[in-house]
Amino acid sequence: GQQLNQSPQSMFIQEGEDVSMNCTSSSIFNTWLWYKQDPGEGPVLLIALYKAGELTSNGRLTAQFGITRKDSFLNISASIPSDVGIYFCAGQLIYQLIWGAGTKLIIKP
Amino acid sequence: DSGVTQTPKHLITATGQRVTLRCSPRSGDLSVYWYQQSLDQGLQFLIQYYNGEERAKGNILERFSAQQFPDLHSELNLSSLELGDSALYFCASSVGGGLAGAFKQFFGPGTRLTVL
Repeated sequence: GQQLNQSPQSMFIQEGEDVSMNCTSSSIFNTWLWYKQDPGEGPVLLIALYKAGELTSNGRLTAQFGITRKDSFLNISASIPSDVGIYFCAGQLIYQLIWGAGTKLIIKP
Repeated sequence: DSGVTQTPKHLITATGQRVTLRCSPRSGDLSVYWYQQSLDQGLQFLIQYYNGEERAKGNILERFSAQQFPDLHSELNLSSLELGDSALYFCASSVGGGLAGAFKQFFGPGTRLTVL
């Protein structure tokens, strides 16, 4: 089946650091979506990308739709404690979303 | 609040039993999706309905079934439950159709199923 490779699997960062994560695939996607999930809750949509090369921001979050349409990146600037959680990417293929395995963000005390 | 509702929030049952999880999509959304998430795992896509008809199937076991009703709410039925079925079950909805943005999925709060 279709697969998305999301990396890193987890990240330990200091408060205030910038964070980068990405998703890659062998398939071409029409839409890229980024979600965040807090423990025990449903994922929440952060950013949606619709065109190759598109760069979109949502506060301290910035995501890009790769030029090849096979990858996407999410950056978080100046991380704060409430940024902890699991970040998922998802790519739209026909009428289905293909999901990455998630990046777990942990802030070092 | 995403606008997607799921009931019940928690469910504890025994092996071999059958349960039904319910989902009401956001107003105006025609597509409903079901996902399973085991502890510290990713989202496993189970099944999608669009306007009452099954549209896509993921890794859904034969013991599991779902349907979407004319009022667009959906139910996921899990039968002959096993210990390994313990998980969070999420419902999501989207507008559906072919327009850009139609596939943005909005998730409910989930049902936590514990099989003892």
